[in-house]
Amino acid sequence: DQQVKQNSPSLSVQEGRISILNCDYTNSMFDYFLWYKKYPAEGPTFLISISSIKDKNEDGRFTVFLNKSAKHLSLHIVPSQPGDSAVYFCAASALGKDDKIIFGKGTRLHILP
Amino acid sequence: ETGVTQTPRHLVMGMTNKKSLKCEQHLGHNAMYWYKQSAKKPLELMFVYSLEERVENNSVPSRFSPECPNSSHLFLHLHTLQPEDSALYLCASSQDLSSGTYEQYFGPGTRLTVT
Repeated sequence: DQQVKQNSPSLSVQEGRISILNCDYTNSMFDYFLWYKKYPAEGPTFLISISSIKDKNEDGRFTVFLNKSAKHLSLHIVPSQPGDSAVYFCAASALGKDDKIIFGKGTRLHILP
Repeated sequence: ETGVTQTPRHLVMGMTNKKSLKCEQHLGHNAMYWYKQSAKKPLELMFVYSLEERVENNSVPSRFSPECPNSSHLFLHLHTLQPEDSALYLCASSQDLSSGTYEQYFGPGTRLTVT
């Protein structure tokens, strides 16, 4: 049973528009959430994270929103740029309880010119 | 060289072969991980090492055998694999186990094809 779900395998967005990637989780013990970005032939790289004590974290063009009651988080990229085309993995962990990061399947984002 | 490196980047092996994947981290980290990424599946954690001791084996078949001779190197020895073991194998490291829950650094992966 997947604890972290990314239900959209792919997403296409026009350059300059907002990209919204969604993620749902089932384990209420998760209290830290991360987004990783992966280009072909490279390993995932950390992008942005959020602790469960917050509902929003912003870093430049990237903002992550957390809705704990819905067990849902989303990554907003605005404006979207061609270099944002990649696979984005949502991940979650339970700090201090279990030394693991649980990853979703990933969403492939295509930024269209 | 910096970061986390993995060799080889691509590997094709028969089901009767024995091969090894190598991971090296140049970050001074104390925890290292092996993940498997199969098509349309989440990254699956396989093994976790902390200070060269295995602390996690996520129900991985014995045809996968990890080795951590020191905190900078991690190997995954492969023997009598099955075609369904074809996947991208990713190595990662973190400063220590507790920081591994929020910050892991990944290598580029080894694309393994079992024929």
